[in-house]
Amino acid sequence: GENVEQHPSTLSVQEGDSAVIKCTYSDSASNYFPWYKQELGKGPQLIIDIRSNVGEKKDQRIAVTLNKTAKHFSLHITETQPEDSAVYFCAASKAGRRALTFGSGTRLQVQP
Amino acid sequence: NAGVTQTPKFRILKIGQSMTLQCTQDMNHNYMYWYRQDPGMGLKLIYYSVGAGITDKGEVPNGYNVSRSTTEDFPLRLELAAPSQTSVYFCASSPEEGLYFGPGTRLTVT
Repeated sequence: GENVEQHPSTLSVQEGDSAVIKCTYSDSASNYFPWYKQELGKGPQLIIDIRSNVGEKKDQRIAVTLNKTAKHFSLHITETQPEDSAVYFCAASKAGRRALTFGSGTRLQVQP
Repeated sequence: NAGVTQTPKFRILKIGQSMTLQCTQDMNHNYMYWYRQDPGMGLKLIYYSVGAGITDKGEVPNGYNVSRSTTEDFPLRLELAAPSQTSVYFCASSPEEGLYFGPGTRLTVT
């Protein structure tokens, strides 16, 4: 089955700096890669996603890049703010299988 | 829309007891899922459903059962609770891609 690895497990940045979280996946048939943000005591919330026919996608301060050849994708957050502090999860799935396989999560702390 | 709702929010069970975690969605999504999240870990798929009357196992189905009699409801049943089932349980629904999660149920088995 699919295996998704995520790094780093914790990340601390100063407010205004950029943060990058990286994930690799094992199944070359995977074609959908979402990112979720989980705040303390809440369920994960979808923040951005990318499909395998696209190399990069941006939404304001958040961007995701995908390298299908290397089977890795990354989340980039620019101009970080204290409210960006949360646990971030990457995930992957393939066509015909809706269920996602998740990475182990990255705890991002933005220091004011 | 309330989205995905889960009850209860918290529960403590004794070893060997049984319980049902409730999940309801009001977005008319066909796909529904149960995940568990252990401390410091990602989410593991327990069961999922592609529509009323259809369910299938995920990565970690042992010790759990599900049913899907309506589009809205997808309860998760724990029989003979064990300490290894201590976790936070999330229900999610999906229209096509992208899951919408509920707030979770924190379960402790002692």
